[in-house]
Amino acid sequence: AQTVTQSQPEMSVQEAETVTLSCTYDTSENNYYLFWYKQPPSRQMILVIRQEAYKQQNATENRFSVNFQKAAKSFSLKISDSQLGDTAMYFCAFMITGNQFYFGTGTSLTVIP
Amino acid sequence: EAQVTQNPRYLITVTGKKLTVTCSQNMNHEYMSWYRQDPGLGLRQIYYSMNVEVTDKGDVPEGYKVSRKEKRNFPLILESPSPNQTSLYFCASSLWLPILTGELFFGEGSRLTVL
Repeated sequence: AQTVTQSQPEMSVQEAETVTLSCTYDTSENNYYLFWYKQPPSRQMILVIRQEAYKQQNATENRFSVNFQKAAKSFSLKISDSQLGDTAMYFCAFMITGNQFYFGTGTSLTVIP
Repeated sequence: EAQVTQNPRYLITVTGKKLTVTCSQNMNHEYMSWYRQDPGLGLRQIYYSMNVEVTDKGDVPEGYKVSRKEKRNFPLILESPSPNQTSLYFCASSLWLPILTGELFFGEGSRLTVL
């Protein structure tokens, strides 16, 4: 069975500080993709960052970066220089090659002015 | 503007009254899928479609039907809604390259309440 676990239901961070959201997953597949999606209060889901499992180099997108540990099946998201607009629910997800997506339960992040 | 459009955005209905939530995308995407979002459970995949006339069950297909007669449309059908189908529903689409790259484009969600 494919599972995604986000153990932090809620987190907060001061504006301009750095925060790390954790995610672990379980799959017996070898080829898959990992993602972080953001859902702001507007409800619109937006892709934040993507990581191919076969790549060892951690993905980065501006202030967002991941720490991908394939052996440990860990995929954490680091947000640097947090901004008020980063306040949102963040979902970790993975997709096995092909079709199905599996999402975690989400971490609600609040950026405090 | 590239988008995924869901309708209705909000709906209150009663048990047993058939309803359809429409989903349309204008990006010529092959892949489309439906999710439900419930507190503490995250997003769970209901059905997905790789292309026209090709649909498959996700993790929670019970009580739902879908069809993919046209590439742009992927309606979600609740033949006999029950209160446990009260949820926030999202439609999403993606390009098939020939494999999915994972960038799902989501609709704005449809809040369904079944009394």
